[in-house]
Amino acid sequence: AQTVTQSQPEMSVQEAETVTLSCTYDTSESDYYLFWYKQPPSRQMILVIRQEAYKQQNATENRFSVNFQKAAKSFSLKISDSQLGDAAMYFCAYRSFQGAQKLVFGQGTRLTINP
Amino acid sequence: GAVVSQHPSWVICKSGTSVKIECRSLDFQATTMFWYRQFPKQSLMLMATSNEGSKATYEQGVEKDKFLINHASLTLSTLTVTSAHPEDSSFYICSARPGILNTEAFFGQGTRLTVV
Repeated sequence: AQTVTQSQPEMSVQEAETVTLSCTYDTSESDYYLFWYKQPPSRQMILVIRQEAYKQQNATENRFSVNFQKAAKSFSLKISDSQLGDAAMYFCAYRSFQGAQKLVFGQGTRLTINP
Repeated sequence: GAVVSQHPSWVICKSGTSVKIECRSLDFQATTMFWYRQFPKQSLMLMATSNEGSKATYEQGVEKDKFLINHASLTLSTLTVTSAHPEDSSFYICSARPGILNTEAFFGQGTRLTVV
């Protein structure tokens, strides 16, 4: 079974600075998806960014980018120019290409933005 | 993105009663829906996967007789917590995926269940 590990329960960053959230995963599959989700206080899950494992190029979405290291099974999220609205729980998630394609979530990282 | 509506947003029920939570895909047909449970300050734990017209697949340790899941149409799945107890109090979240392979799953806004 796949597992996802987020080793940083909490992180904080000054507004306008850059922060990196870590995620590692374990799988024997070669094709899969990785995701970062944001859960603000409203608790609505919001997709931040996704990465297909077969793509070597790291995904980017505006101020959000990932560092995907397939061999190391590492998938970190970098948030540039942090904004107060970025404060939330961030979950890393894994999804297989095959089968039910269910999401496996990490434990989450609570990100605080200091004004 | 596509919209998934979950109802109710919050519910309080008495011990021993049953409560139903609905998950609707508003602008797409969802062949697969997922139900998660989230305890305070914890991650989402998958409870079951439901496919339209067939029985749900429950994760290990989830009581299928307690958490009844019905996916009767391509836009609606329901989770019924039967004979609820205070330990069932939690945040329940559904997600729905369109029928096309390898597309995103979209999340409902969640339901906070409190059993008193």
